[in-house]
Amino acid sequence: DTEVTQTPKHLVMGMTNKKSLKCEQHMGHRAMYWYKQKAKKPPELMFVYSYEKLSINESVPSRFSPECPNSSLLNLHLHALQPEDSALYLCASRSPGTGDRNTIYFGEGSWLTVV
Amino acid sequence: SQKIEQNSEALNIQEGKTATLTCNYTNYSPAYLQWYRQDPGRGPVFLLLIRENEKEKRKERLKVTFDTTLKQSLFHITASQPADSATYLCALGMEYGNKLVFGAGTILRVKS
Repeated sequence: DTEVTQTPKHLVMGMTNKKSLKCEQHMGHRAMYWYKQKAKKPPELMFVYSYEKLSINESVPSRFSPECPNSSLLNLHLHALQPEDSALYLCASRSPGTGDRNTIYFGEGSWLTVV
Repeated sequence: SQKIEQNSEALNIQEGKTATLTCNYTNYSPAYLQWYRQDPGRGPVFLLLIRENEKEKRKERLKVTFDTTLKQSLFHITASQPADSATYLCALGMEYGNKLVFGAGTILRVKS
């Protein structure tokens, strides 16, 4: 079982709604990620937080707003989304260090449908 | 341009045989490479990591090789089983910025 927990597992929202996806890990990892995955496509990197600071934003539209309140939590705030934003949103975390501790662990994902 | 290519979209093999999956990349200089398994509707599950200065890694029935000259990694599953059927993703890890970039994946189907 993954040690990265994502909620909700499924979310349906209208284009005018505001909602949030949540992610939690208690492995002491200091890097956390948001990925977006469309059907039959690989995960695409959206954001990386390192030590609670945003270190990478892959030119993601501002209707997606990440937040890292502390080292264990990562949120993705959603506002005014489009139907094409419907996808599986994956959270991941990674420990600092080298070798096999570079492993990035993924959560089960949140399925988002925008109607 | 930067590319990560995984061999074929789908690989069909007979139970008990060795499955070999390929990951080729261009215009990247990864510090390490990881292989993940993903089942439909689930998040990727980590399998193996190999660093740029390592040639080969093994874990139970899994083996991965990494050739930075050829810019290629091979992923082998020996004595394959129907339960190994899944999508396998390779991912390149960059040392700086904590960035991990995925290939498109290969669907493996093991038939009994």
